[in-house]
Amino acid sequence: KAGVTQTPRYLIKTRGQQVTLSCSPISGHRSVSWYQQTPGQGLQFLFEYFSETQRNKGNFPGRFSGRQFSNSRSEMNVSTLELGDSALYLCASSLQAGGNEQYFGPGTRLTVT
Amino acid sequence: GESVGLHLPTLSVQEGDNSIINCAYSNSASDYFIWYKQESGKGPQFIIDIRSNMDKRQGQRVTVLLNKTVKHLSLQIAATQPGDSAVYFCAEIKGGAQKLVFGQGTRLTINP
Repeated sequence: KAGVTQTPRYLIKTRGQQVTLSCSPISGHRSVSWYQQTPGQGLQFLFEYFSETQRNKGNFPGRFSGRQFSNSRSEMNVSTLELGDSALYLCASSLQAGGNEQYFGPGTRLTVT
Repeated sequence: GESVGLHLPTLSVQEGDNSIINCAYSNSASDYFIWYKQESGKGPQFIIDIRSNMDKRQGQRVTVLLNKTVKHLSLQIAATQPGDSAVYFCAEIKGGAQKLVFGQGTRLTINP
């Protein structure tokens, strides 16, 4: 069974631009969560989707948004990029909402210049 | 608020020795505590979890201990191997919230 895939793996953007990252969960998994990882703040929860609905949201500004499609694939969008948005963005999937066993993808490394 | 923290940012052990990675938490309402391993260039990998009503759980070469009295969690790795080199995170989750709260991580280095 294929694992969680994320595209693209690396991305370089300029301040003020917007970016869309994609995540395909493990087949059969309906819950997708997104995390931001930086050296200073560590791993921080962004939001979680289950059955196309956002179930939970972390403490990030409204520039960060996401959605989930009927096939459970998810995208996250960051608008008006700031230098501080440079990070590794990780997606994790699990079978059910509220599940404690999450499977992470390799992440998308976003660099904002 | 809810938070987990690790005691040491780095840990160096000899190959074949046992490793113990520690973590403290503050949220007594957490339902699960989980350990993740993150190798360079990869996403975190689930290792083992423990429900908050348990004291100990064993997996393959790993044991997690939970001391609710002092709000302390530890991961023990038996017979440490080079492939165990990684950053280890403890995390806590409240059932239904699907929100993992991670500690800062401990980098485990294996000396030959």
